[in-house]
Amino acid sequence: AQSVTQPDIHITVSEGASLELRCNYSYGATPYLFWYVQSPGQGLQLLLKYFSGDTLVQGIKGFEAEFKRSQSSFNLRKPSVHWSDAAEYFCAVGLHHSNYQLIWGAGTKLIIKP
Amino acid sequence: ETGVTQSPTHLIKTRGQQVTLRCSSQSGHNTVSWYQQALGQGPQFIFQYYREEENGRGNFPPRFSGLQFPNYSSELNVNALELDDSALYLCASSLDSGLDGYTFGSGTRLTVV
Repeated sequence: AQSVTQPDIHITVSEGASLELRCNYSYGATPYLFWYVQSPGQGLQLLLKYFSGDTLVQGIKGFEAEFKRSQSSFNLRKPSVHWSDAAEYFCAVGLHHSNYQLIWGAGTKLIIKP
Repeated sequence: ETGVTQSPTHLIKTRGQQVTLRCSSQSGHNTVSWYQQALGQGPQFIFQYYREEENGRGNFPPRFSGLQFPNYSSELNVNALELDDSALYLCASSLDSGLDGYTFGSGTRLTVV
């Protein structure tokens, strides 16, 4: 069965420090990969996506992610975090062969230290 | 361009009751997907509607049902509510397959007591 793993439930980083959030997936083919952010009381906002081509993708708010097929990973990175980045981050996989549902990880809550 | 609007934002129901949640899709979108997000978890796919037809369903029992209207807005109905149905219900609209990513509403927080 397809699955998405985000191994870190919480991550705490200092403002201005770099960030990497991990995501691993289990799927027979190359899926469509997404990172979303969810702030309290708000809906999910798409940060970036990977369908094919260049394995390093750039997103909004200064985020980027790298697809590594050999590791079945799609880690999210940001060189310098801001206090406004505090939120919950979700990795998701699109099953493009069927009904285009998204399979989601459990999320990583990002806490920013001043 | 309007986004996705969900109503109500919060509601409390008693076990065994029925509930209807509503979603207005973003202008130009013809696909609506519903997700259930329990506290501390990622969203779980309930079903998707494309041009008024159910286009796929996740692992949810038949007491979860839906509709899509000609204007592409949608309803999620849940019968015989159980305590475990307490969750944030998210609606997402997209164009066709949604490969460009969904646009999510802010959700409806359902509490079953």
